[in-house]
Amino acid sequence: EAGVAQSPRYKIIEKRQSVAFWCNPISGHATLYWYQQILGQGPKLLIQFQNNGVVDDSQLPKDRFSAERLKGVDSTLKIQPAKLEDSAVYLCASSFGYSGTQYFGPGTRLLVL
Amino acid sequence: GENVEQHPSTLSVQEGDSAVIKCTYSDSASNYFPWYKQELGKRPQLIIDIRSNVGEKKDQRIAVTLNKTAKHFSLHITETQPEDSAVYFCAASTNFGNEKLTFGTGTRLTIIP
Repeated sequence: EAGVAQSPRYKIIEKRQSVAFWCNPISGHATLYWYQQILGQGPKLLIQFQNNGVVDDSQLPKDRFSAERLKGVDSTLKIQPAKLEDSAVYLCASSFGYSGTQYFGPGTRLLVL
Repeated sequence: GENVEQHPSTLSVQEGDSAVIKCTYSDSASNYFPWYKQELGKRPQLIIDIRSNVGEKKDQRIAVTLNKTAKHFSLHITETQPEDSAVYFCAASTNFGNEKLTFGTGTRLTIIP
């Protein structure tokens, strides 16, 4: 079974610029998650989708971060404008229905200068 | 919200010895507890998980124990090998993993040959 795909793998931008990340979950997985992992810390949830609806976005900095999941499959996460503290790895994960197990993608490593 | 504490932050053991990592959680509604292994620059990978209706689960050299009363769970790795060296994260979730994972801060395990 193919895993969760993410792109790009690396991105370097200057502060105040915008950036977008893409995620393709495992086929058939209805639930999709975006996590932010700052160096030396555990991942922290930014947003959770069930199909194309938002389940939890309580920790998403909505003044600069946005996410969408059109057609309930692929998802994009956008940051505009980026700040230095946004430097982190952005991990996408997906799970199937009510099995609970979350499978992670390889992540996008973002460096904001 | 849920808070997960993880100890120790670093752990070094001789090859062949056992390693134990402990986590505590705060939300009594949490009922799903996975453990992820993350090698440097790679995605978190699920190694074992446990649901609140069981007290222990074992998979070859890896076992997890759960004490719901005390709200703590532990990862046990026996007969450690060099390839066990990585950062290990515990996590907790409600709804049997169909909601966000709250991660611990990670344990860097080093196996000394």
